[in-house]
Amino acid sequence: GAGVSQSPSNKVTEKGKDVELRCDPISGHTALYWYRQRLGQGLEFLIYFQGNSAPDKSGLPSDRFSAERTGESVSTLTIQRTQQEDSAVYLCASSFYEGVQAFFGQGTRLTVV
Amino acid sequence: LAKTTQPISMDSYEGQEVNITCSHNNIATNDYITWYQQFPSQGPRFIIQGYKTKVTNEVASLFIPADRKSSTLSLPRVSLSDTAVYYCLVGAIKAAGNKLTFGGGTRVLVKP
Repeated sequence: GAGVSQSPSNKVTEKGKDVELRCDPISGHTALYWYRQRLGQGLEFLIYFQGNSAPDKSGLPSDRFSAERTGESVSTLTIQRTQQEDSAVYLCASSFYEGVQAFFGQGTRLTVV
Repeated sequence: LAKTTQPISMDSYEGQEVNITCSHNNIATNDYITWYQQFPSQGPRFIIQGYKTKVTNEVASLFIPADRKSSTLSLPRVSLSDTAVYYCLVGAIKAAGNKLTFGGGTRVLVKP
C-alpha cells in the first residue's frame, strides 16, 4: 500500500477481553515500531522489529502485551485481559532501516470499558 | 541512546519564525538528529534529519553547531496549521538497536 495501515481504527472492548491490533507496514520496510500514546501524552515505545525478530521488547508494559511480525510484513500487537489503563492510541511505524525516516499509521484508538 | 531535552511548549504568531532548541549533551559520534511533527489525532510525521552544520528542506531548517550537543529546528513564517507537537530524536541510522525513542516533545501553538 501507499502508507502504513492500521486496523481497526477504533476498538471498544470490555475489561478482561483480549484484543488484537494489526499493522501493515510499507512494503520493503525492514523496521517496524509500536507505540502507545495516552491522551495528551508523548509516545511510549513498546517494541520494535527488524525483519521478524524483535531486538527490543523492553517497552512492553506487562506480560499481557505481546507482538509478532510475519517476515517483513504485517505485525500484530495483542493485549490480553485488557484493563482500563490500556485505553490509548496505539501507533505503528515502519522504515527501511532503523533510524531513517519512519512513516506512521493513523493509529488504533483502544477504549476499555 | 542520547537523551534529549527540549522546551515543553512555545507560543508564536502567524508569520513569525519559530526556533526550537533541543539539547543532547551525550550525543554519540554515529548519531543523527531527527525531528518529527505530530498534529492532534494523527501519527507523527518526519520533518528533517541531519548530522552536522545545516540542513534545509521545503518545510524547515536544522542547525547543528560544531560540538553537536544541541540542535535547533527552525520553522519559517509559521501559519496556524503549524500548531503541533515537535519531537527531537537522536540515534544512529541503519544501526541495530535504534528503537526510535520519542521524548515529551515541544507543543507549539501558533496564534492569529
